[in-house]
This record gives sequence, C-alpha cells and structure tokens, in this order.
Amino acid sequence: GDSVTQMEGPVTLSEEAFLTINCTYTATGYPSLFWYVQYPGEGLQLLLKATKADDKGSNKGFEATYRKETTSFHLEKGSVQVSDSAVYFCALSIIQGAQKLVFGQGTRLTINP
Amino acid sequence: DTEVTQTPKHLVMGMTNKKSLKCEQHMGHRAMYWYKQKAKKPPELMFVYSYEKLSINESVPSRFSPECPNSSLLNLHLHALQPEDSALYLCASSQRDIGLQYFGPGTRLTVL
Repeated sequence: GDSVTQMEGPVTLSEEAFLTINCTYTATGYPSLFWYVQYPGEGLQLLLKATKADDKGSNKGFEATYRKETTSFHLEKGSVQVSDSAVYFCALSIIQGAQKLVFGQGTRLTINP
Repeated sequence: DTEVTQTPKHLVMGMTNKKSLKCEQHMGHRAMYWYKQKAKKPPELMFVYSYEKLSINESVPSRFSPECPNSSLLNLHLHALQPEDSALYLCASSQRDIGLQYFGPGTRLTVL
C-alpha cells in the first residue's frame, strides 16, 4: 500500500545550522506530496507542497523537491532558527473514495541557541 | 480567512459521559475530516465528509459518532469512551474531496 518513511528523530541542531529531513514514499500513481509542521500544543500547519515531479515547494526558507526517480521529498533549510523547533510530518495524498493523507511518523526537531 | 476552529480546546470526561467535539470552517469548503493523534504519532484518519455525506469511515468504533449538520459544521459525538481514546482530535477541511487540507488546533481529550 501507499506509505511514507521519514528519517527517525529526534534531530537536534544548533542555530544557523543546515537542516535536512529525509522523506521517501511508496505510492501507485502520482501523489501530491506535503510537509506539515506541528508546534507544541498545536494542530498541523501546511509548510509546503508539490503536486508533480520536479516541482519545488518552498516556504519560510524551507524547500523540498518532488523527485520521482528516487521517490523522495526531502526537506531542507539553509539556516535554522530556534523558532523552527517543532515536529515535521511528510505526507502524500491518495484518492480512495475521497482524498486521504498518508503521514510519515514525524521527525522532532530541536534547535539550540 | 483560512481558519478551522475547534471547541473545546481541552475536554476531560468519564467513561460513562456523553460529550461532543465541534469543528467549524467558513471557507466554503465542502469536505471535512476527523483525525485522531496519539502522543508522538502521526494523525490517523477517522472520518471524511464530502458534501455533508459520510464518504469514509476508517472502521472507527461506534462509540465515536460523526455528524455534519451543514457544510460549515462537523461534530464528533462521544459516548462510553475508554481511557485509550485519550488523544488530540484534529479536524480539517478542504475545498472539495480532492484538495489542500487545512487543520484546526485540535481538542485534547482525556478519558478517565
């Protein structure tokens, strides 16, 4: 079935470090791909999305490129801030009667000053 | 306005209580979703309503009963819950049943 695999956390970095969170997927067809972020005690916020191969999603300094050949959608940021500390979920959308989001397990990111 | 609101923010209930969670959106979206999220886990889909009709029920126990009284409102009625049902319950909506989902802040439920 369709699935998403994220790198295991937690990930701890110093402020201004480079961030990569790996995400790979298995899907039949061509799903849309998403990164959602969840800050402590809050719901999920869409961070960025890509709907077809080679699309690059970007927002707030974060980027991810939809790579069909490697079935990947890795999240990157050049210089992280303390305020980026959160849990990051990679997800794909599939249509089974209606749209369903399939989430990865989440990666907890902590940025130290 | 891209906001989905949920009430209450927190709810504590006993196993014999009946309570309801409420979700509201005024974006004109025609699909609404309930998710359950346990600590340190991703959200799990429970129900999908499309044009006020239930289109997906992910084999959720009958002690959870969804209701969509109109296109802006989604309720989740709770009855005879178990302690393992304690979780964050998230509501989401999308423009139609294929589209970007916007999430609410969630209701944190504790069952004693």
